[in-house]
Amino acid sequence: ELKVEQNPLFLSMQEGKNYTIYCNYSTTSDRLYWYRQDPGKSLESLFVLLSNGAVKQEGRLMASLDTKARLSTLHITAAVHDLSATYFCAAPNFGNEKLTFGTGTRLTIIP
Amino acid sequence: SAVISQKPSRDICQRGTSLTIQCQVDSQVTMMFWYRQQPGQSLTLIATANQGSEATYESGFVIDKFPISRPNLTFSTLTVSNMSPEDSSIYLCSVRDYHSYEQYFGPGTRLTVT
Repeated sequence: ELKVEQNPLFLSMQEGKNYTIYCNYSTTSDRLYWYRQDPGKSLESLFVLLSNGAVKQEGRLMASLDTKARLSTLHITAAVHDLSATYFCAAPNFGNEKLTFGTGTRLTIIP
Repeated sequence: SAVISQKPSRDICQRGTSLTIQCQVDSQVTMMFWYRQQPGQSLTLIATANQGSEATYESGFVIDKFPISRPNLTFSTLTVSNMSPEDSSIYLCSVRDYHSYEQYFGPGTRLTVT
């Protein structure tokens, strides 16, 4: 059974700082998804990482995937208040499309 | 990208009643999923809605409690039956885009059971 773990669960950081959210998954998976959720809202797709070594960047967010280590990272550069949200990673069970979600990381950016 | 709508967006229901949630997609999709997000928690897959056949339920979810219909490739319903306060959650419909590998989520239905 696929398990997906994220850390940290909570992250409070100052504007302008850099930080990384980690996502580990327990069994073989060929893709990794990152989503953002604002309070009271649905999930917004950030990145789909499709292969080992994949790196994608959008603004101050950069995501990478290491399938051998079963690890994905979401790096935040020079954080701004607008990035405050909960971030989820998710991996599909190998061979099907069912996503297993991590616990989420609640990110708060302090001015 | 797929555009997904859900109805209702929120509802407050009494214990013992049932609520049917609708999910409409603006394009034909093969795979539709229903997720639940309990307050302050992550997402849990309830079932995969299969067009033309019965839904496939995950461990801990049963058809009698969460009957699902999928009459065509753009529409699905999820019913939450005989509700209790523990069913208070956000219910989200999701679809997979086979071309881009993206998986999109609807706006969700926020259910409160009193």
